Amino acid sequence: GENVEQHPSTLSVQEGDSAVIKCTYSDSASNYFPWYKQELGKGPQLIIDIRSNVGEKKDQRIAVTLNKTAKHFSLHITETQPEDSAVYFCAASRDTDKLIFGTGTRLQVFP
Amino acid sequence: KAGVTQTPRYLIKTRGQQVTLSCSPISGHRSVSWYQQTPGQGLQFLFEYFSETQRNKGNFPGRFSGRQFSNSRSEMNVSTLELGDSALYLCASSLDTASYGYTFGSGTRLTVV
Repeated sequence: GENVEQHPSTLSVQEGDSAVIKCTYSDSASNYFPWYKQELGKGPQLIIDIRSNVGEKKDQRIAVTLNKTAKHFSLHITETQPEDSAVYFCAASRDTDKLIFGTGTRLQVFP
Repeated sequence: KAGVTQTPRYLIKTRGQQVTLSCSPISGHRSVSWYQQTPGQGLQFLFEYFSETQRNKGNFPGRFSGRQFSNSRSEMNVSTLELGDSALYLCASSLDTASYGYTFGSGTRLTVV
């Protein structure tokens, strides 16, 4: 079945630096790739998503890139701030199928 | 607009008991999906309901079941609880498929003792 791998599991950066989280997926038919941010005591929140017909998407300090050939997609956060500290999950799905999540990355941004 | 509401927020149950969790989706959302979140296994898909019909199902034993009502509210039930069922159970609603974007509730923290 579909599998999504996510790296790294933890990431520590200095405030103002950039952070990059990478995911690979196994199902070549996957066509939807969202990223979620989960803060303590809350459910995951959708922060950005990309579809298979697009290679890159940007929203202010957050960007996502997709390489369909390599079955790889990444989240880029620039100018990190302490409030970016959270657990980030990538996910993949196709058509009407379920979302399969990666194992999560705990991002810590130090002031 | 109101978000996804899950009740109760916390539950403590004894092994062998059963439990029912409730999820009220965002108004107008017809799809409700359930996930189990644990530190070791991450977010595992349980099932999805759309217009009162189960549309997708994960790889959980038959002790886990769910349903959706005509107003899109959903419930999940776990029978004969085991210690390993202790987890955060998350509900997510969407207009239709996952590609419309999930909105998650804050979850129900279930502890089985």
